[in-house]
Amino acid sequence: SQKIEQNSEALNIQEGKTATLTCNYTNYSPAYLQWYRQDPGRGPVFLLLIRENEKEKRKERLKVTFDTTLKQSLFHITASQPADSATYLCAHYNQGGKLIFGQGTELSVKP
Amino acid sequence: DTAVSQTPKYLVTQMGNDKSIKCEQNLGHDTMYWYKQDSKKFLKIMFSYNNKELIINETVPNRFSPKSPDKAHLNLHINSLELGDSAVYFCASSLSGTTYNEQFFGPGTRLTVL
Repeated sequence: SQKIEQNSEALNIQEGKTATLTCNYTNYSPAYLQWYRQDPGRGPVFLLLIRENEKEKRKERLKVTFDTTLKQSLFHITASQPADSATYLCAHYNQGGKLIFGQGTELSVKP
Repeated sequence: DTAVSQTPKYLVTQMGNDKSIKCEQNLGHDTMYWYKQDSKKFLKIMFSYNNKELIINETVPNRFSPKSPDKAHLNLHINSLELGDSAVYFCASSLSGTTYNEQFFGPGTRLTVL
């Protein structure tokens, strides 16, 4: 079955460093992947989308890569700030039109 | 200014009761969804409506019944609540045919069944 997996362990980094989060998928080849941010007590918020023919996509301090050979997407936050602390989710639409989410990675940026 | 709103924000009830959660979006979207997020934070689709028609119906107990009176509203009614129904329920909406097809989520309803 199609699977999308993220590192469920929390990621703790120091302010100013680059945070890198991983999203792996198996048994399928998504045409694109979406990344969302979820703060405690709130719903997910869409951040970025990257298509399979795009190696990299940037938005301000955010950068997403898509490696179809490794079946992996990396999500980077450069010059991280405590306000970046949240759970980050990757997702894709499966063939049935359902948006399937990874389990999310919790990021904590310490001042 | 609220894009996707849900009521109530918190719902605490006894096992066996029937309850409803309401959702409204003012984004002009044509597709709405219900998701369940369990204690492990895993977000899973339950239902989806497009232009008031049910298009996604996951393997959900038939105690859960969605209803879409119009494109801007999608309600969720739950009968005979069980302990395992405790979770956070998110409503979302999207506009089909857009470039990113991103979904916009409501703030969630935390349901606690005692």
